[in-house]
Amino acid sequence: ETGVTQSPTHLIKTRGQQVTLRCSSQSGHNTVSWYQQALGQGPQFIFQYYREEENGRGNFPPRFSGLQFPNYSSELNVNALELDDSALYLCASSLGSLAGGELFFGEGSRLTVL
Amino acid sequence: DQQVKQNSPSLSVQEGRISILNCDYTNSMFDYFLWYKKYPAEGPTFLISISSIKDKNEDGRFTVFLNKSAKHLSLHIVPSQPGDSAVYFCAASAGGTSYGKLTFGQGTILTVHP
Repeated sequence: ETGVTQSPTHLIKTRGQQVTLRCSSQSGHNTVSWYQQALGQGPQFIFQYYREEENGRGNFPPRFSGLQFPNYSSELNVNALELDDSALYLCASSLGSLAGGELFFGEGSRLTVL
Repeated sequence: DQQVKQNSPSLSVQEGRISILNCDYTNSMFDYFLWYKKYPAEGPTFLISISSIKDKNEDGRFTVFLNKSAKHLSLHIVPSQPGDSAVYFCAASAGGTSYGKLTFGQGTILTVHP
């Protein structure tokens, strides 16, 4: 059974650029959630995708967007990067979005915006 | 607005003793609570959860207690082991199709000394 994998693990961008982060969900999981973890803080919910449709969004601006593909892998895109976007971005997969659907997290993508 | 709070940034205990990690929440709609553990350079891993219809859930050395009237939950680890040293996050969700959309606390760094 393959766990959640994310790429790239580290990247550096400059303010105003765009970035795409990728996530492969755990085998058999149809739901992917993205979280942003700033230094010293807990993860913050960005959005969730269930069967290729956005299924809820946290308090993030529209320049944060996502996609889920038929194989349930997912992308997080951030446009017009700002310095405050520097964070660890975590992807989590689960089977469905109902109670008992424990989230399985990847190791994250560390984004630094200069 | 921090809906889930872990007021102790760090906790240090001796091996074999009890570790008690605390978490408070403000949103009355939360009805499912989880604890995650995070080692450096790894994603958070699920530890234990509790539904609001219960006040206690045990899994081996780990027990979670929920006090709904006080909007407080705690994680007890007995006996504590050096391998338990990690950052512990409590998280909550608000039911329905929201179970995958977790609100996390800031985390507590647990250090267990041999």
